[in-house]
Amino acid sequence: GALVYQYPRRTICKSGTSMRMECQAVGFQATSVAWYRQSPQKTFELIALSTVNSAIKYEQNFTQEKFPISHPNLSFSSMTVLNAYLEDRGLYLCGAKQGANTEVFFGKGTRLTVV
Amino acid sequence: TQTVSQSDAHVTVFEGDSVELRCNYSYGGSIYLSWYIQHHGRGLQFLLKYYSGNPVVQGVNGFKAEFSKSDSSFHLRKASVHWSDSAVYFCAVSATGGYKVVFGSGTRLLVSP
Repeated sequence: GALVYQYPRRTICKSGTSMRMECQAVGFQATSVAWYRQSPQKTFELIALSTVNSAIKYEQNFTQEKFPISHPNLSFSSMTVLNAYLEDRGLYLCGAKQGANTEVFFGKGTRLTVV
Repeated sequence: TQTVSQSDAHVTVFEGDSVELRCNYSYGGSIYLSWYIQHHGRGLQFLLKYYSGNPVVQGVNGFKAEFSKSDSSFHLRKASVHWSDSAVYFCAVSATGGYKVVFGSGTRLLVSP
C-alpha cells in the first residue's frame, strides 16, 4: 500500500535556530508533495506545493526564505523551518500524491516545539 | 477555488448516542471529499473518502459519510459513539486533477461516559 513517513515525529529547537523535517513516500511515486502547518488549536494551512518539473509554489504568508523545500526525487521531500520562533510551533504535515487524479496520502506529522 | 465549512466547532454527546458532524463544501467541479480524525497531540488519521459512485461511504470504526451534491454536503455519522471517539474531526476537499487539499476548521467531538 501507499504510505508516507515523516521524521522526526517530534522535535524541540531553540528560538532562532533552524529545523529540518523529512517526508518519505513508500509504495507510490510522489509526483507532488504538499507541506501543511497546524498551529495550536487551528486547522491545517497549506505552506507550499511542490510538483515534479514545476516550481515550488508557496501560499500567501509563507516564503521560500523561511520554509525552503527540497523535492529531489519521486520518493522524498524535506522542508526546513529557518530561524524558528514561537509562532512557528505546531504540527507540520506532509501530503503526497501520484498524478493528478489520485488521493493524497498524509504522514503522521512532525511536531515542532520552539523554546 | 474550493472551500470547506464545518459549522460546529464543538459537539458533545454521551457514549452510545448517535452523532452527525457536518461538512459543507463549495466547488463547481469534480472533487475528492475526505474525513480525518486527530486525537489529542497526535497526527492525522484517515477515516474515509468519496470520489464517485455510492454516495454513502463506510469508513473505519463504524463511521460513515453521505455525499449530497444538491446540498453540497458530506456529513459524517456514527450510530453509537464510544468515549475513544473523542477527538477533532476534519473534513477536507481537493479538486480532482488538482494537488491542493483544503481542510475545514475542524469539529471537536467530546463523548461523555
